[in-house]
Amino acid sequence: QVQLVESGGGLVKPGGSLRLSCAASGFSFSDYYVSWIRQAPGKGLEWVSYISTSGSIIYYADSVRGRFTISRDNANNLLHLHMNSLRVEDTAVYYCARDQIADRPPDYYMDVWGKGTTVTVSS
Amino acid sequence: SYDLTQPPSVSVSPGQTASITCSGDKLGNKYVCWYQKKPGQSPVLVIYQDIKRPSGIPERFSGSNSGNTATLTISGTQAMDEADYYCQAWDFSIVVFGGGTKLTVL
Repeated sequence: QVQLVESGGGLVKPGGSLRLSCAASGFSFSDYYVSWIRQAPGKGLEWVSYISTSGSIIYYADSVRGRFTISRDNANNLLHLHMNSLRVEDTAVYYCARDQIADRPPDYYMDVWGKGTTVTVSS
Repeated sequence: SYDLTQPPSVSVSPGQTASITCSGDKLGNKYVCWYQKKPGQSPVLVIYQDIKRPSGIPERFSGSNSGNTATLTISGTQAMDEADYYCQAWDFSIVVFGGGTKLTVL
């Protein structure tokens, strides 16, 4: 079945780094854009970043631009999120999602989500 | 940046109709989707392209979008529908979520 499984979360000190991964299965990973979305404790969903099928198109939320790097390995059906200079406010459950995108008219939504991995930034 | 505004909470009695709104500038010119999020679970897509339901989503979920407001409507609301609901749109290549609405089924 179509599945996304995140890993790599944990406890890290402010200023530290972490790499999240998302393993895709059950569909042709290289045919889809994929995203990272997070939810901080008691807060709403926040989009973090997405990457195109080939990796040539990448966008980040203002809150993470310059600190986080999204990448993908289509040969191994993996999505990554490299997180540097972590802040307390980056504490959240991080989800990866499969995206559906269209240009005309513009449309973007996430139709498959992983179960998430928890990142805690604390001293 | 583009903002989507949702009411923080909506209450509904079982069997009644719940309406959750999502407001944004000229939102009717964009596609809107909706996600259901229950505590400890992953978000689930319940409406996409304003009005379409993914496979497996009950018919009681419907959507509309016109002017500056998109609406998620749940007809015959059931206790299992109690959750947080988020609208989402795409604005100049940036994904935007609304702040979320907590639906309480009293």
